[in-house]
Amino acid sequence: DVKVTQSSRYLVKRTGEKVFLECVQDMDHENMFWYRQDPGLGLRLIYFSYDVKMKEKGDIPEGYSVSREKKERFSLILESASTNQTSMYLCASSHIAGGNEQYFGPGTRLTVT
Amino acid sequence: GIQVEQSPPDLILQEGANSTLRCNFSDSVNNLQWFHQNPWGQLINLFYIPSGTKQNGRLSATTVATERYSLLYISSSQTTDSGVYFCAVGEYGNKLVFGAGTILRVKS
Repeated sequence: DVKVTQSSRYLVKRTGEKVFLECVQDMDHENMFWYRQDPGLGLRLIYFSYDVKMKEKGDIPEGYSVSREKKERFSLILESASTNQTSMYLCASSHIAGGNEQYFGPGTRLTVT
Repeated sequence: GIQVEQSPPDLILQEGANSTLRCNFSDSVNNLQWFHQNPWGQLINLFYIPSGTKQNGRLSATTVATERYSLLYISSSQTTDSGVYFCAVGEYGNKLVFGAGTILRVKS
C-alpha cells in the first residue's frame, strides 16, 4: 500500500512566521505535489517536483517555496505566513510508470492568526 | 487549460439507493481519477480510469474518453459513503485538474 504522510494534521501559526509543512512518501515515487483546498475554490496546485532538487510552479505559487533534497520528502515553505494562507494543504505523490496515479496524504489544516 | 465539470453538485440519498455521478472534461486526457474525501479531509483513491470500466465492490466507474466523460456508480449506498466525490483529470505533464466535486449525503 502506498503511504503518504504529512507532519501535522492541525497547525496554528501567527502572521509573519516561517512555516514548514513536511510530506513523506514510502513508495519511491518520482513525482510529488502540494495542493491547497479552499471552500468554493476546490483543489489548486501550488508546486510540484518530478525529481530530487527539481521543482515546477503550479497554478498558485505566490507566497510559497518548496524543497526536495531527498526523493521521499517534499517540503512546502511559507516564508512569512499571512491570514490568506489559512487553508487545508494536501500533499500527493505519483509514479511515472504507474500512469501518474496520484496518492494523497491526510492533509494539514493550517490556521494563520 | 482543461475544464472539468461534475454533476450533480449535491445529492441526498436514502440508504440503499443507487446513484450516478458524472464528470465531463474539455480535452483529451492521459489520466482520470475518482476520489472520495472523507470527513477528516483525506482524499481516498477510488479509481484510476483513463478509459474503460472498472468495478470495486459496490462502486464502479466508466470512462468514455472519446466522448470526454466519466461516470461513477454507487449501488446500495450506505451512510459511510457520505462525503465529497472528486473527479480529477491529468493535463500535460503530471498535473491533475480537479472538478468542483459532488457532495453526497446518505440518510439512514
